[in-house]
Amino acid sequence: LAKTTQPVSMDSYEGQEVNITCSHNNIATNDYITWYQQFPSQGPRFIIQGYKTKVTNEVASLFIPADRKSSTLSLPRVSLSDTAVYYCLVGDMGNQGGKLIFGQGTELSVKP
Amino acid sequence: DTGVSQDPRHKITKRGQNVTFRCDPISEHNRLYWYRQTLGQGPEFLTYFQNEAQLEKSRLLSDRFSAERPKGSFSTLEIQRTEQGDSAMYLCASSSFPRDSLFSSTDTQYFGPGTRLTVL
Repeated sequence: LAKTTQPVSMDSYEGQEVNITCSHNNIATNDYITWYQQFPSQGPRFIIQGYKTKVTNEVASLFIPADRKSSTLSLPRVSLSDTAVYYCLVGDMGNQGGKLIFGQGTELSVKP
Repeated sequence: DTGVSQDPRHKITKRGQNVTFRCDPISEHNRLYWYRQTLGQGPEFLTYFQNEAQLEKSRLLSDRFSAERPKGSFSTLEIQRTEQGDSAMYLCASSSFPRDSLFSSTDTQYFGPGTRLTVL
């Protein structure tokens, strides 16, 4: 599975838009890009997944450029409750599925 | 609540004791995963099942660890002769993965709250 690189931590204020960029230079043709969110003492929670271009759901957007070597998770108008660790994962979640490979994630701190 | 459940939520044990954790996946999910997470790190894959078949096992899983999913529903993870290095959060996840789909599909995993193990 492709290795990902993302910032260790980020700070933001309530109401701001937060963009977390993940680098995955060795992404393979079959790989999807998936983001999970984790609060302390809880299991990770699926946020969004995409293969190319842009994906949007009720909580976030995912921007993927044409070369797919990076992706950006965008959280609109964050609140204090968005303080969490965000993981970018890349892997063949399509035909094979299987284990998820987590890195250290990005610890987002939202301040009032 | 119809999410993934794990029992117990917390377990404190003495070194050398055996412990067993249980995971109940989302109903009708055919895949079940076990992960381990230590402080400040992302979850680390241990093993997974499709129905009752154990499809993959991490090399990190020593022979003291064993997992079962006898009827393709709930699963248990047993650690024998626990060591202090086994102290971690043990996470279970489940997913619904079509076996005979003609189309590419994605395997979104839904995690439980975890079991925190402390080995004294």
